[in-house]
Amino acid sequence: EAQVTQNPRYLITVTGKKLTVTCSQNMNHEYMSWYRQDPGLGLRQIYYSMNVEVTDKGDVPEGYKVSRKEKRNFPLILESPSPNQTSLYFCASSLGGTAHEQFFGPGTRLTVL
Amino acid sequence: SQQGEEDPQALSIQEGENATMNCSYKTSINNLQWYRQNSGRGLVHLILIRSNEREKHSGRLRVTLDTSKKSSSLLITASRAADTASYFCATGEGGGADGLTFGKGTHLIIQP
Repeated sequence: EAQVTQNPRYLITVTGKKLTVTCSQNMNHEYMSWYRQDPGLGLRQIYYSMNVEVTDKGDVPEGYKVSRKEKRNFPLILESPSPNQTSLYFCASSLGGTAHEQFFGPGTRLTVL
Repeated sequence: SQQGEEDPQALSIQEGENATMNCSYKTSINNLQWYRQNSGRGLVHLILIRSNEREKHSGRLRVTLDTSKKSSSLLITASRAADTASYFCATGEGGGADGLTFGKGTHLIIQP
């Protein structure tokens, strides 16, 4: 089944403790991206990647890192999480960028205490 | 970056009625997409309309695009309780070397 998977689905952590949210797709998509969703603010893009070893900042990249060492994986790294990073995070992928349908993962609900 | 803005923010209608949501954006786009999100879940792609298209249909969905007014509308005909969800428009500026920008969404409630 074609899908985007994210892990973990739920995470409660404390300020400053490094964490990684994994994202994997099995559709051989070149484009992958991360969004955060907050009440009243909608979805905002954090980072995106056009292909392996190619990443670019989205609208809200501060406090986040990403890497794209393999085509199928696009982990989101929070080196020192803070409470304002409490949010619902979505990974998405598409065949060739924003000109194509985006396939979204199920979401990761992160709480930083 | 530009942002699509949906209108209304919330809409409640009776089952069987038609629902119309609007989206406005600020600058030139390559395409506009509509997504549905059921509470707290991942977004599901509904329809993509390119800047050189004016109307597109998919089942009970009809999307229009007016690039001169920088606006789009999503019409859901003969609504069902299962259509209750949030609907987002998203705009892409180029061929992919940039990000997709989402609006804040319209929350649609279908009353049985």
